[in-house]
Amino acid sequence: DIVMTQSPDSLAVSLGERATINCKSSQSVFYISDNTDHLAWYQHKPGQPPKLLIYGASTRESGVPDRFSGSGSETDFTLTISSLQAEDVAVYYCQQYYNLPRRFGQGTKVEIK
Amino acid sequence: QVQLVQSGAEVEKPGASVKISCQASGYSFPDYHVHWVRQAPGQGLEWMGCIYPKTGDTHYAQMYQDRVTMTRDTSINTVYMQFNRLTSDDTAVYFCTRETWYFASWGQGTLVTVSS
Repeated sequence: DIVMTQSPDSLAVSLGERATINCKSSQSVFYISDNTDHLAWYQHKPGQPPKLLIYGASTRESGVPDRFSGSGSETDFTLTISSLQAEDVAVYYCQQYYNLPRRFGQGTKVEIK
Repeated sequence: QVQLVQSGAEVEKPGASVKISCQASGYSFPDYHVHWVRQAPGQGLEWMGCIYPKTGDTHYAQMYQDRVTMTRDTSINTVYMQFNRLTSDDTAVYFCTRETWYFASWGQGTLVTVSS
C-alpha cells in the first residue's frame, strides 16, 4: 500500500499570506502510461463533501481559484495557497490515485492567524 | 451534470447493520467506478472501497473487507454499501464519489450514528 504523509498537521496563516502544505508518498505515483503523477488535492469544509482542487499534481480543476497551485513529482508534492482568503479555512488532503487502496494523507488544517 | 444523491441519515445500535444508497445521474453509470469514503468525528478521510457498476467487481480496504459489501442496481443507477457489526467507532459521515481516476464528483454524505 502507498502511504501518504502530510506536513504540517495544521498551520495558521495571516490573511493574504502564503500557505504551503507538503505531501509525501511512500513510493512514486508517476504513471508512465499518461506521463503524469497520480496525485490529487482536496479541500474539505465541515458539512460539505470534499472538493477536488488539483489533479495530476499540478492541474487545477475547473473553477478553482488560481491562488491554489500544486507542484512536485514522483514522491514529494506541495499545495500552495498564494494569498490566503477567509473562505480557504478548511482541511486539505492529498490522495494518490496510482493504485488501490486510494489512500488519503492525514489532512492539514488551515486556519487564519 | 453529474449528480450523486445519497440516502438519509441513519441511527443504529451497536452490532447492527446499515445499508446506504447512492443514486447517480448525468453520466453513463456502468462505466465509472464508485468509491466510498468516510470521515469519523475529528478524523480524516478514509477510503473504504469501490465497485465497478458494469461488472459488479469490488475492492475493499483491508480493514473493512470482512464487514462491508458494495453492490449495485444498474436498472436504477444506484450503488449500495452495507456495513455490518457496527460499533460506536463507525459513527461517521459516509460519502460516495465517482472516479475519473481522481474524485471530482461526490454525494452529499450520509451520517451514520451508532449508539445504544
